[in-house]
Amino acid sequence: EAGVAQSPRYKIIEKRQSVAFWCNPISGHATLYWYQQILGQGPKLLIQFQNNGVVDDSQLPKDRFSAERLKGVDSTLKIQPAKLEDSAVYLCASSAGTLGGEKLFFGSGTQLSVL
Amino acid sequence: GESVGLHLPTLSVQEGDNSIINCAYSNSASDYFIWYKQESGKGPQFIIDIRSNMDKRQGQRVTVLLNKTVKHLSLQIAATQPGDSAVYFCAEKTGGYQKVTFGIGTKLQVIP
Repeated sequence: EAGVAQSPRYKIIEKRQSVAFWCNPISGHATLYWYQQILGQGPKLLIQFQNNGVVDDSQLPKDRFSAERLKGVDSTLKIQPAKLEDSAVYLCASSAGTLGGEKLFFGSGTQLSVL
Repeated sequence: GESVGLHLPTLSVQEGDNSIINCAYSNSASDYFIWYKQESGKGPQFIIDIRSNMDKRQGQRVTVLLNKTVKHLSLQIAATQPGDSAVYFCAEKTGGYQKVTFGIGTKLQVIP
């Protein structure tokens, strides 16, 4: 079974530039998550989708971050404009989203450096 | 709970010994708990999970204990191996839409 795919693997940009990350979840997984992981910390949830609808974006900085999940499959996360404090690993995860299917499967992440 | 600080707690264990990693969770309404292992440069990897109606669950070389009275979770690793060196996170699921929140993590160093 293919895992969660993310791209790019690394990205370096200057502050005030924009950047986008892509995620392809495990086939059939209804729930998709984007987490931000700052060095030395645990992952922090940014946004959670159930199919193509948002169920939680309470910690997403909406003035600069946006995310979409078209057709309930792939998702993109965008930052515009980027700030220095956005330097982190952006992790995408998916789960079946059912009782007994709550386990999250993670991709390898995109490491973002904002200079 | 939410992660704080830049310095992860570190546990150093001799190879072959047992490891115990502890976690205090934040929400008494959480009904499902997961332990993840994260190696450098990789995403978190599922180790073991437990529901709130259980107090112990065993896997291969790992055991998770849940104490709901004090909101405490622990991960026991038997006969720790060098390949177990990683950062370990506990996570809790809360709410009908399955919000999963991660703890601060513990770095496990296995001494050969």
